[in-house]
Amino acid sequence: ILNVEQSPQSLHVQEGDSTNFTCSFPSSNFYALHWYRWETAKSPEALFVMTLNGDEKKKGRISATLNTKEGYSYLYIKGSQPEDSATYLCAFATNFGNEKLTFGTGTRLTIIP
Amino acid sequence: DVKVTQSSRYLVKRTGEKVFLECVQDMDHENMFWYRQDPGLGLRLIYFSYDVKMKEKGDIPEGYSVSREKKERFSLILESASTNQTSMYLCASSSSLHEQFFGPGTRLTVL
Repeated sequence: ILNVEQSPQSLHVQEGDSTNFTCSFPSSNFYALHWYRWETAKSPEALFVMTLNGDEKKKGRISATLNTKEGYSYLYIKGSQPEDSATYLCAFATNFGNEKLTFGTGTRLTIIP
Repeated sequence: DVKVTQSSRYLVKRTGEKVFLECVQDMDHENMFWYRQDPGLGLRLIYFSYDVKMKEKGDIPEGYSVSREKKERFSLILESASTNQTSMYLCASSSSLHEQFFGPGTRLTVL
């Protein structure tokens, strides 16, 4: 079983502040790195799918970077808002030719108004 | 609007019962997945399917089986439910090598 680690496990951030958290994954057999946002009582929703070393993706105030050689990805949130409160999951896909994702345990983000 | 639906949001069953969890997607996706989510353990893959009648074991297949007779439907079967199968079950679908779309989840309690 592949090991995907996320840190921190939980985070409290003041509204308006920026924050970031980390996903670490195996650097061998890399195919893709996914980020999902999972709000309470809703389904996980995809934020980004990243495949290339050095990739940077952005969606509004949220952005992500990818380093496949050292096996990590950062997710950044600029100017946190209450609606950003959620659990953020990363998931790793290998190049073994199937669709399987291995998920981290997530970073639970709470924005304090 | 793309959609993955699951047959129940909440389910309570007794130990030893056979349990069926149904998942339907309307996006014509080839791939479908069943996960369970437990506190502190994240999402763990039980089984997935990349085509009709095809299935592959995930990381924790023991105690479960699956069925995919039609492209849009993927069923998870607990042959004889046990208390350690109390969990949140999430279904997802995807087209090849793309993001997964998740259903709302089924919270199963086995007494």
